[in-house]
Amino acid sequence: DQQVKQNSPSLSVQEGRISILNCDYTNSMFDYFLWYKKYPAEGPTFLISISSIKDKNEDGRFTVFLNKSAKHLSLHIVPSQPGDSAVYFCAASARTSYDKVIFGPGTSLSVIP
Amino acid sequence: EAGVAQSPRYKIIEKRQSVAFWCNPISGHATLYWYQQILGQGPKLLIQFQNNGVVDDSQLPKDRFSAERLKGVDSTLKIQPAKLEDSAVYLCASSLDRVQGRVTQYFGPGTRLLVL
Repeated sequence: DQQVKQNSPSLSVQEGRISILNCDYTNSMFDYFLWYKKYPAEGPTFLISISSIKDKNEDGRFTVFLNKSAKHLSLHIVPSQPGDSAVYFCAASARTSYDKVIFGPGTSLSVIP
Repeated sequence: EAGVAQSPRYKIIEKRQSVAFWCNPISGHATLYWYQQILGQGPKLLIQFQNNGVVDDSQLPKDRFSAERLKGVDSTLKIQPAKLEDSAVYLCASSLDRVQGRVTQYFGPGTRLLVL
């Protein structure tokens, strides 16, 4: 039972354009959502997060949007840069589960120069 | 600040052999996690330690996997005997205690295990 879903295994975007990575979840107890970025042969690194009390959080070129009613979140990268090429994991946690983080399967983003 | 250290980076073994992985978390981080990441999937939590106590090991295959965290710092994860399906990247992460707000986990580079 996959509680966090990323239905696009891969995405290609031209440099300078917007990248939109999508994520859906099924567990209504999730109240905190994170995006991690992973380069080959490295561990995931934290990128941005959002609490369920918000619907948007912005950090530089990265913005995460949360739609609780649809159980959907998205990560926007504007403008996209070649260095953004990586695998992006959506993750979620719930205070009621000791903040255990559940990861999605990831989306591989390629930014084409 | 030094990051999470893991060793070895790569390991190839035959099925039924045993293997051990080591993790040194960021200094001062009380919580340590071991994840298994199978190719094409996201990391899956195997075990979570708070200092040297186990908080969650519900997804650890206890018939073959074991983990310990001595003195609340370094940790080892062992597989004995290994199966073909254990081929994966084993990630260690650490975080500060959550007093207010939520924790951020910091990951090591991982150990890539291939079981033949």
